[in-house]
Amino acid sequence: DAGITQSPRHKVTETGTPVTLRCHQTENHRYMYWYRQDPGHGLRLIHYSYGVKDTDKGEVSDGYSVSRSKTEDFLLTLESATSSQTSVYFCAISSLATTYNEQFFGPGTRLTVL
Amino acid sequence: AQSVAQPEDQVNVAEGNPLTVKCTYSVSGNPYLFWYVQYPNRGLQFLLKYITGDNLVKGSYGFEAEFNKSQTSFHLKKPSALVSDSALYFCAVRDRDDYKLSFGAGTTVTVRA
Repeated sequence: DAGITQSPRHKVTETGTPVTLRCHQTENHRYMYWYRQDPGHGLRLIHYSYGVKDTDKGEVSDGYSVSRSKTEDFLLTLESATSSQTSVYFCAISSLATTYNEQFFGPGTRLTVL
Repeated sequence: AQSVAQPEDQVNVAEGNPLTVKCTYSVSGNPYLFWYVQYPNRGLQFLLKYITGDNLVKGSYGFEAEFNKSQTSFHLKKPSALVSDSALYFCAVRDRDDYKLSFGAGTTVTVRA
């Protein structure tokens, strides 16, 4: 999976608790993305980063925050998890500033919010 | 705004038969188009992309895709399907002035022996 790891791989939590998912890359790529995958919706972008401490919102960012203090790590935080955030979360990376570079995906984190 | 439509939730074919997975897109400018495949409990794997030039793009595992600007389509094809091609396939589009990808809902391909 192109030098991308995600942790944890599985998590079960309760409504109202904070959750942080971690994406770690060894490729030194500039761009990092967080998606969620839900049946019938494909992948939807939550947040993305174009450099250390540079982040922006995607199409489904409500209820999520991100941080990137190092090139290799991109954290996704659910401040107060809700059942609607039960999903599979994927991190992706891409290298150069050209928009035609494909993204490479991590193995995913399956999150269940009870 | 950009979007992708994959009109078929499922495609079923017999091994050895041709496989086609349909994709249509909408972007305000010129598109970059991508196909990804996802095997069970795995992340997405890149198959191929269209940037410019020849409308027929060849990718991994014997797959190819044809870009049709007038029909705004980018259908994925394989001349002879294998059982191991059974997976979930995603089409994605990006406007040339944007870094964000938009994905279709996905098409589940089942190839029967």
